Amino acid sequence: AQSVTQPDIHITVSEGASLELRCNYSYGATPYLFWYVQSPGQGLQLLLKYFSGDTLVQGIKGFEAEFKRSQSSFNLRKPSVHWSDAAEYFCAVGTSGTYKYIFGTGTRLKVLA
Amino acid sequence: GAVVSQHPSWVICKSGTSVKIECRSLDFQATTMFWYRQFPKQSLMLMATSNEGSKATYEQGVEKDKFLINHASLTLSTLTVTSAHPEDSSFYICSATPQSSYNSPLHFGNGTRLTVT
Repeated sequence: AQSVTQPDIHITVSEGASLELRCNYSYGATPYLFWYVQSPGQGLQLLLKYFSGDTLVQGIKGFEAEFKRSQSSFNLRKPSVHWSDAAEYFCAVGTSGTYKYIFGTGTRLKVLA
Repeated sequence: GAVVSQHPSWVICKSGTSVKIECRSLDFQATTMFWYRQFPKQSLMLMATSNEGSKATYEQGVEKDKFLINHASLTLSTLTVTSAHPEDSSFYICSATPQSSYNSPLHFGNGTRLTVT
């Protein structure tokens, strides 16, 4: 069965520091992978997506993610975090042939001034 | 583009009453919309797939008679929580995609916070 694991429930970084949020998935074929961000009380905003091709994908707000098939990972990175990046981040895998997404449990990011 | 709007943003209702939540695709047509439920500090759980002009497809464990879904047009899906109880209090989010290909990402509404007293 497909699954998505985000090992870190909470992460705290200082403003200006680099960030990496981990995501591991379990899926039999090449997955469609997504990262979404959710501010408190809000819906989800798409940061970036991977379908095929270049394994390093660029997203909005300075985020990037790298698909590593051998590690079944799709980690999200940002070189320098801003205070406005504090939010909940969700990794999701889309199953081929459907619109259904499986979400990870999320990582709550706190940014220290 | 690809804006999904949800209404209301929050609603408080008394136990036993019904509440309707609307999900609209503002700048595209969506034959399929999705309804998710999110408990506090938890991930999103897919409740059902709303299909324009036909019955919704519910995920296992989701009560069809409790959560009525209607997708009457290509831009509107509604979720009605019938005979609401406090345990139905949650954050409900809808999503849709403007393209017919499965690799087009879902776009989400801003969610509706339901509190049942």
